[in-house]
Parts: sequence; structure tokens; C-alpha cells
Amino acid sequence: GQNIDQPTEMTATEGAIVQINCTYQTSGFNGLFWYQQHAGEAPTFLSYNVLDGLEEKGRFSSFLSRSKGYSYLLLKELQMKDSASYLCAVRDRAGGGNKLTFGTGTQLKVEL
Amino acid sequence: EADIYQTPRYLVIGTGKKITLECSQTMGHDKMYWYQQDPGMELHLIHYSYGVNSTEKGDLSSESTVSRIRTEHFPLTLESARPSHTSQYLCASSDWGLVNEQYFGPGTRLTVT
Repeated sequence: GQNIDQPTEMTATEGAIVQINCTYQTSGFNGLFWYQQHAGEAPTFLSYNVLDGLEEKGRFSSFLSRSKGYSYLLLKELQMKDSASYLCAVRDRAGGGNKLTFGTGTQLKVEL
Repeated sequence: EADIYQTPRYLVIGTGKKITLECSQTMGHDKMYWYQQDPGMELHLIHYSYGVNSTEKGDLSSESTVSRIRTEHFPLTLESARPSHTSQYLCASSDWGLVNEQYFGPGTRLTVT
């Protein structure tokens, strides 16, 4: 099975940069996803990494190191609307190859 | 924008009742999933399907059952609801592409009294 760890809470200032880390252990790694979930709403897809390196998408970037079992999500130019929970999820090759295991999420609070 | 729908959005029901949570998607996705999420906790996969007439149990044991008779429809049924079933239930779907990101419905918040 998988074991996914990410910080429970983070606080940052509007306009700043924040990095949310995720470490994982899995036997059949087949990709890592980041999702954003506002309170009471469904998760929405942010980014996907399957090879080592940085993927940039606007204000959000995600990095992966498969050898270290490590990823981070980088949010730049923080806005108040970025206050949400950020979920790290790992896909495993078992079970047809598209099952996701989610971490508990990092609750990000953006302050003025 | 993802086109995946869940009904009802909120449900309060008494112990012992049979309930069915509906999930439909209009994207033609073959893969569909049901997750259970308690407040502040991670999503747990309880059922998934990779196509019509295909259903599998997920990583979290659940007393619910699912069916997949049509591609677009993946209902979840609880034969006899109990207070321990109180939770948020999220449905998702994905395609067969390279990324296969999962699109989530708005969820059903179930309370069993």
C-alpha cells in the first residue's frame, strides 16, 4: 500500500510564495497528483507529475523526485481565494493502474 | 469544466433505511469511482469501475454496493443505513488518457440519525 505524508496546516501572506511538501511510499508508482479542495466542495485537479522535475502551470508549479519519494506544490503570488486544502495523491500500478491514494491534505490559510 | 453530477447533495435519514446515492457523468468516461471523506480527513476509495458491468471494491471496506449498467451512471446503495455511515460521499470519473486525472462531483453529505 501507500503511505503519504503532508503537513496538516500552513499559513502564508497574500502575495507571497508557499511550498507544500508531500512524501510518499509506494511499491508501484504511476504518477502523483495535486488537487485543491475548498471547504465543502469537491476536489479539483491542479497538477500531475510522473517524471522527475518541475511542471509549471501559471501561478502553480509541482515538483517530483521519484528516488526520494518527494513532491512539492509551489504557489506563487498568493491570493485570498487560494485558502483551501491541498491534497497530494499517488497513483499505483496495481488494480488496473488508476487507483489514487490521497494524503490527509494541507489546509492553507492565506492572510492579509 | 467537468460534467459530473451527484444527487442528493444533502440527505438526512433514519437508521435502517435503504438509500441510493446517484452519480452521473456526461463525459463518456469509462472509469468511475466512489470515495468517502470525513471532515478534515483524507478521501478513501470505496468502489471503482473501469467499464460497464465491471465493479471492484476499493481500499476502504464499505457496506455499500454499486452497479454499472450504463457508462454514464454509477449509483451507490446502502441497504440499511447506520449512524457509522454518516460521511461525505464523492463520485469521480476519468478517461483512458495519459494523465487520467479524476473529475469529482459535488458530493453527497449523508447524515444517518
